[in-house]
Amino acid sequence: QVQLQESGPGLVKPSETLSLTCTVSGGSINNYFWSWIRQPPGKGLEWIGYIYYSGSTNYNPSLKSRVTISVDRSKNQFSLKLSSVTAADTAVYYCARDPLFYAFDIWGQGTMVTVSS
Amino acid sequence: SYELTQPPSVSVSPGQTASITCSGDKLGDKYACWYQQKPGQSPVLVIYQDRKRPSGIPERFSGSTSGNTATLTISGTQAMDEADYYCQAWDSSTNVVFGGGTKLTVL
Repeated sequence: QVQLQESGPGLVKPSETLSLTCTVSGGSINNYFWSWIRQPPGKGLEWIGYIYYSGSTNYNPSLKSRVTISVDRSKNQFSLKLSSVTAADTAVYYCARDPLFYAFDIWGQGTMVTVSS
Repeated sequence: SYELTQPPSVSVSPGQTASITCSGDKLGDKYACWYQQKPGQSPVLVIYQDRKRPSGIPERFSGSTSGNTATLTISGTQAMDEADYYCQAWDSSTNVVFGGGTKLTVL
């Protein structure tokens, strides 16, 4: 079955760039939308943005100026870069798949990223 | 920006029916879905496209929409259903929006 696994540093300094990768295993990255979603400790879910396997993207307007999502089909991976981070960006970051259901049917286990000096 | 509003908490007795609402402007014109999240775990999709259940989700979970409100109904609620529930939709600008979440307590 398809599984998603987030990877990347668990600690990022303020003003630096947060970089995460999601590896898709057990299936192809083709023909799906792939999103990044985050959840600050004790709070709700916030969508960051998505990328279609072809490379087209759309970002949360509140984060758009700082977000870049890219895809590497040869590695079955997609990635997130969030620049100029602050403590407010501390959260569990999830990657997730949308099979054109307008919903996320598969989620990664999540990775905690803390922004601190 | 588009917003989805959920009650912060809902309580239900075991075996009874729990209803969790999600309201948003013209939500009935969009597809709504629902996620269950237990502590320390990733969200799990329980309802998509308003009323469809993914494979493996018990039949006691159902969804409906009317006007500006989507509702998740859990019939014969069990202790294992205690969790946070989030609604989600896409706004007219092709952005994903989540509701604030509802903590379901089974007592």
